[in-house]
Amino acid sequence: QKEVEQNSGPLSVPEGAIASLNCTYSDRGSQSFFWYRQYSGKSPELIMSIYSNGDKEDGRFTAQLNKASQYVSLLIRDSQPSDSATYLCAVNTAGGTYKYIFGTGTRLKVLA
Amino acid sequence: ETGVTQSPTHLIKTRGQQVTLRCSSQSGHNTVSWYQQALGQGPQFIFQYYREEENGRGNFPPRFSGLQFPNYSSELNVNALELDDSALYLCASSLQSGAEKLFFGSGTQLSVL
Repeated sequence: QKEVEQNSGPLSVPEGAIASLNCTYSDRGSQSFFWYRQYSGKSPELIMSIYSNGDKEDGRFTAQLNKASQYVSLLIRDSQPSDSATYLCAVNTAGGTYKYIFGTGTRLKVLA
Repeated sequence: ETGVTQSPTHLIKTRGQQVTLRCSSQSGHNTVSWYQQALGQGPQFIFQYYREEENGRGNFPPRFSGLQFPNYSSELNVNALELDDSALYLCASSLQSGAEKLFFGSGTQLSVL
């Protein structure tokens, strides 16, 4: 079982729609969760972080965390073609090293 | 722009050669982590350096080694290159070990022929 799992996509949504990206993780001790956006040929860029159960909103982005289900999601409202990218879920493991475990990413395509 | 700079941006090597990649961390950041990202995959943790000491390592063989200098810049060295080492190598700096936010450089694209 992979430590952080994401559907690779592509997930295609029309412009203006809500894009929903999902991620599950295996380490119950994980404490911090992140969503990174990566455009093709570029490095990852942090867009959201979440640490406690529930929702966290920042502009058009909402991160949702459910530690009991080991599930974290990202909602993008009013999707724009410029949101087309790969979205990486990252989990910060416990245990002193503070390495991030990344999923393989979900490719999002927003259709104009 | 994150303030993390990596060099070179692209590199082509042949199997068996050695390579050194360089990273300058963002001002004030004393922790550097290195990640390998193969095509179509997420970044994989190689190791982290905190105040010039290795502070954790992922599942990479010993031919992957690193250094951190007093100014907190860092090097990643890979010996005896293999074809599977072809990847984007990302450096990320953070304010301190355990800090939550990683700031990534633009990466070095390594091709091994």
